[in-house]
This record gives sequence, C-alpha cells and structure tokens, in this order.
Amino acid sequence: DSGVTQTPKHLITATGQRVTLRCSPRSGDLSVYWYQQSLDQGLQFLIQYYNGEERAKGNILERFSAQQFPDLHSELNLSSLELGDSALYFCASSEAGGPYNEQFFGPGTRLTVL
Amino acid sequence: DAKTTQPNSMESNEEEPVHLPCNHSTISGTDYIHWYRQLPSQGPEYVIHGLTSNVNNRMASLAIAEDRKSSTLILHRATLRDAAVYYCIHEYSGAGSYQLTFGKGTKLSVIP
Repeated sequence: DSGVTQTPKHLITATGQRVTLRCSPRSGDLSVYWYQQSLDQGLQFLIQYYNGEERAKGNILERFSAQQFPDLHSELNLSSLELGDSALYFCASSEAGGPYNEQFFGPGTRLTVL
Repeated sequence: DAKTTQPNSMESNEEEPVHLPCNHSTISGTDYIHWYRQLPSQGPEYVIHGLTSNVNNRMASLAIAEDRKSSTLILHRATLRDAAVYYCIHEYSGAGSYQLTFGKGTKLSVIP
C-alpha cells in the first residue's frame, strides 16, 4: 500500500460526458502527478501540482483539467469524453516538487467510455 | 522530443542477474533517468534513479553510460517477485519546461 488513494476504482460512462477522478496523496506529500495508461500510448504524464499550484504540464488534452485543493487532494476532470479516453488513470504523490523525487503511485481509476 | 527505447520483453532464470537496457539518446545536462516497475494490476513503484554516476540501492543498481545516452538497470538476483514491466523514464527539467517521457517498458519474466 503506497498510501495514495484514488476514487473511484472503476468508472463507466458514455461519450460526451464529463467525469471527475479524485486522488488523496500520502500524508505530508505536497506534490501530485496525474498519468494516463492505455494500451496504445503506454504511460503518459499529464500534469503535476505542487502545494496547490500547477507545476508542470505534459500531454494533457484541453478537454482535461486538474486542480489541487488546500487540503492537498487533487481532482482530474475529463470532459467531452471520447472512446479513446478509455484508460487507466494513475495519481502519484511525492514529498517535494522538484526533479528526482520518488513518486508513490495510487492503485488507479479504470475509465471505460462506451 | 525526448525518447526512451527499451526491449519489449526479457527472460531470466530465478536467482540469476538481470540486465535491463534503455536508450535515451536525447538526454542532456541535468536530465535524470528513473526506473519504475509495475506489477500486474498495480500502480508503478519506484526502483532507482540516477544522473551521471552509477547508483546502488537495496533493490537494484543503475549503470549509466559515460555519454549518458544509455543506461542499464541491474537486478543482482532475480526472484519470482521481480516479474513485472520495467519502465525507463527520462526526466527533463529546465528553462521553464518539464517533461517525463516513459519508455514502452520491458516485461520481465522470471523462470523458476
């Protein structure tokens, strides 16, 4: 158990809909990262937040957005969903926000778009 | 764009050393190399990271080529619990930009 929690575990929705994925980092970790894992694209870094502020952006689509709240939990919002958005979404946390910080991954949320 | 290349799969006998290679030919200056592994139905877990010189920890060793364009993750004695997908990651951070580029991963099978 990494100490990172993600809800829900599974999510099934339809194209065009909007969903919110939630992540609670390990106690004391200030940084949260979001990743997408799909069969064709592999693991992709989406976005990082550090202490409530956006720190870095990866391959995140404009239809996707994220935020980190004062209690440090984070949410990833996915809108206008397409079939290709079906994937496993991981959240990870680390103590600090700089490079070379060990990241602890949650168990993931499996999103299925029908 | 940063790119990391790994073999799709490798096999090892139990209790023998395993060398997992990665090419990261676009690496520069202060970019880090990380290795994570992912066991079935779990999120990735940290294995090791390095910048320029070789690194050791309780899980593995990381050998980085002198030109830094490739690295090798070394598991000294493979166990059945080491069967996983191993990801090599190029971390670029600088000039107001940040990127984490994952390789496709090497699926390691350990034969008892």
